[in-house]
Amino acid sequence: AQSVTQPDIHITVSEGASLELRCNYSYGATPYLFWYVQSPGQGLQLLLKYFSGDTLVQGIKGFEAEFKRSQSSFNLRKPSVHWSDAAEYFCAVGPSFGNEKLTFGTGTRLTIIP
Amino acid sequence: DAGVIQSPRHEVTEMGQEVTLRCKPISGHNSLFWYRQTMMRGLELLIYFNNNVPIDDSGMPEDRFSAKMPNASFSTLKIQPSEPRDSAVYFCASSFSASGGTLIWEQYFGPGTRLTVT
Repeated sequence: AQSVTQPDIHITVSEGASLELRCNYSYGATPYLFWYVQSPGQGLQLLLKYFSGDTLVQGIKGFEAEFKRSQSSFNLRKPSVHWSDAAEYFCAVGPSFGNEKLTFGTGTRLTIIP
Repeated sequence: DAGVIQSPRHEVTEMGQEVTLRCKPISGHNSLFWYRQTMMRGLELLIYFNNNVPIDDSGMPEDRFSAKMPNASFSTLKIQPSEPRDSAVYFCASSFSASGGTLIWEQYFGPGTRLTVT
């Protein structure tokens, strides 16, 4: 069964500092991988996705993520965070074909301090 | 595009009452998903439809929950009777899948319905 682990429940970074949010997945084949962001009181918005090809993917709002098959990881990064990046971030994994279910991680809450 | 539309945005009801949540997916999308989000359990998939047909309802908690998709532009999630433990934010999401579900794309989420059962 597929699973996703986001080991950090809460991360605090200073505005302008770099950010890396960790995501590890478990899936037997090549997965589809996603990062979503949820601002308070809002739905989830897709930041970026990996289906195949280049293992470094660029997303919206200056985010990027790197797929590392050997480490079963898909970490999200941003070189310089802005106060507006404060939100909850979810990693998700899905099969490359067949059942369309996505499995979401438990989320990482990001707090930005001035 | 208007995105995924959910109504109502907030619902407060008393235990034992029937609750109906509504969702309008993005036009052209053929898969629809209902999720529930709570602090304790995180984001859980309840059920999803492809081409209006329920494909996987293994996440539906119990018989009190039912979901329908009578056409490509509308779905409902009904709880009858409601209980306090059903209090959560319910999200609807839609996506486009090709080749009978063999190729999937990203899911687009609605703003959610915050349900409070007292």
